[in-house]
Amino acid sequence: DQQVKQNSPSLSVQEGRISILNCDYTNSMFDYFLWYKKYPAEGPTFLISISSIKDKNEDGRFTVFLNKSAKHLSLHIVPSQPGDSAVYFCAASDNTDKLIFGTGTRLQVFP
Amino acid sequence: DTGVSQDPRHKITKRGQNVTFRCDPISEHNRLYWYRQTLGQGPEFLTYFQNEAQLEKSRLLSDRFSAERPKGSFSTLEIQRTEQGDSAMYLCASSGETGTQTFNEQFFGPGTRLTVL
Repeated sequence: DQQVKQNSPSLSVQEGRISILNCDYTNSMFDYFLWYKKYPAEGPTFLISISSIKDKNEDGRFTVFLNKSAKHLSLHIVPSQPGDSAVYFCAASDNTDKLIFGTGTRLQVFP
Repeated sequence: DTGVSQDPRHKITKRGQNVTFRCDPISEHNRLYWYRQTLGQGPEFLTYFQNEAQLEKSRLLSDRFSAERPKGSFSTLEIQRTEQGDSAMYLCASSGETGTQTFNEQFFGPGTRLTVL
């Protein structure tokens, strides 16, 4: 049972435009959500997180939105840059401390 | 601090052999996690430690797998009698409540890629 779902395996965006990556979850006990970026042959790099008591968190070009009623979160990257090309993972945790990851979305930013 | 380090980065072994991986967490972090990632999937939780205590193990962690963190610093993950299905990227992460960070924000190492022939 996939508790965290990223239904878009890939996304292609032009440089300078907005990238929107989506994530859905099924477990209402999740109270913390994170986005990670992964380059080939490297471990995931933490990008941004959000607690379930908030609906938005912003850090530079990255903004995460949380819609608890829809059990949906999204990552917005504005403006997108070629260096943003990577696989992005959504992750969630409940009070057990382990992270549950989605299957990832490959973002390609082209000039 | 140079972040989480893992050794070796790559390991190729024959089926039936034992392998051991090492993880050195960020020094001020007291929580250490092991995950496994296979192609096309996100990382899957295996186990985690708070200091030297192993607090949770996934059912993915069969009896052939053992993890230790004897002094609450580095950790080892051993796989005995490896099988081809063990081929994966093994990721280590650490976390701690330092500054603005929370335990939820886990920082990953580069991983050890295991290939079982």
